Amino acid sequence: QSVLTQPPSASGTPGQRVTISCSGSSSNIGGNPVNWYQQLPGTAPKLLIYSNNQRPSGVPDRFSGSKSGTSASLAISGLQSEDEADYYCAAWDDSLNGPVFGGGTKLTVL
Amino acid sequence: QVQLVQSGAEVKKPGASVKVSCKASGYTFTTYYIHWVRQAPGQGLEWMGIINPSGGSTTYAQSFQGRVTMTRDTSTSTVYMELSSLRSEDTAVYYCARTYSSSSAVDSWGQGTLVTVSS
Repeated sequence: QSVLTQPPSASGTPGQRVTISCSGSSSNIGGNPVNWYQQLPGTAPKLLIYSNNQRPSGVPDRFSGSKSGTSASLAISGLQSEDEADYYCAAWDDSLNGPVFGGGTKLTVL
Repeated sequence: QVQLVQSGAEVKKPGASVKVSCKASGYTFTTYYIHWVRQAPGQGLEWMGIINPSGGSTTYAQSFQGRVTMTRDTSTSTVYMELSSLRSEDTAVYYCARTYSSSSAVDSWGQGTLVTVSS
């Protein structure tokens, strides 16, 4: 059972916009920045969004993040086939004194 | 460029221990923290603990307390994670991951090391 809650799956057609939610509590998302990771099949995770809404160099601006209260979301616009991957949200948890992750959302591009 | 290169796959029997290495290059080893995160087959990411390569201080996730030990060798820029009393549920890919501060985002991951626990 993951500390952060994500939907197990999401889907969309090429060109569509999809959003993935992430719900937590005051000890994690409510008080700390949220980060998002993309994991392509058989590879290590890759940082996609940090500090709620910042993109590392090289990440397309089709990817955006937001946070409100104890929830966060990742939006992907102009969906492409190469976006098919697992997406994880993460945040530091002050009670556990460590980072916590969502269970992951498998994105399928139809 | 920044690289975290991990040791190869391991097969262990229940009750044994495993030690996975993570060799850092492309940056000043002592200026970034190293976390260990594992992923069981078909499952999500689970944080195991963190080590500060500068002084060697560690913090372990409660679920691994007493079974995990993280160490570092500054002469070779390598971090080690040893997990003892292995059981089948420890079968997973183990990743090392770098952060600038203890709570910041992971900006670089190792390639992962598959540890299989089987009799």
